[in-house]
Amino acid sequence: GENVEQHPSTLSVQEGDSAVIKCTYSDSASNYFPWYKQELGKRPQLIIDIRSNVGEKKDQRIAVTLNKTAKHFSLHITETQPEDSAVYFCAARVDNDMRFGAGTRLTVKP
Amino acid sequence: DAGVIQSPRHEVTEMGQEVTLRCKPISGHNSLFWYRQTMMRGLELLIYFNNNVPIDDSGMPEDRFSAKMPNASFSTLKIQPSEPRDSAVYFCASSTGLGTIYFGEGSWLTVV
Repeated sequence: GENVEQHPSTLSVQEGDSAVIKCTYSDSASNYFPWYKQELGKRPQLIIDIRSNVGEKKDQRIAVTLNKTAKHFSLHITETQPEDSAVYFCAARVDNDMRFGAGTRLTVKP
Repeated sequence: DAGVIQSPRHEVTEMGQEVTLRCKPISGHNSLFWYRQTMMRGLELLIYFNNNVPIDDSGMPEDRFSAKMPNASFSTLKIQPSEPRDSAVYFCASSTGLGTIYFGEGSWLTVV
């Protein structure tokens, strides 16, 4: 089945700086790549997603890039704010089988 | 829409007892997923259903775990007998076809 690797496991940045989280996947049939944000004690919530026919997608301070040849995708958060602090998960999906990366704990220091 | 509804939200049970977790997917969603989250293993896919039919249960850790979906609006995840290592947050999620997967608020299970 699909295997998703995510790096780094923890990331600490100063408020206003950018944060980048990277993921790789193993199954070339994967065609949908969402990113979820999970705050402490809460459910994972979708923040942005990208499908395999697109190379980049942006939504305000958040952007995701996809390189299908290399089988990796990344989350970029610009102008980080303390409320961006959370655990972020990438995922890759083949049909109805969606697998998650191990998560990145992002801390934004004021 | 009320979103994916799970119950109970929290459960503390003794080792050896049966645990039943319940899920109501979003109306109209035909895919349902059960995930388990722990610090050590992250978010693990246990099983998923498509149109009430189990498609892949390879993530179910042991025969002590079973899941059913008797109709489009209800699913259960059962652990019998429960063990302390089953302590985790169990998330149910649903989606339409290949659309976005939405998570419930989770069932926080502690087995003592």
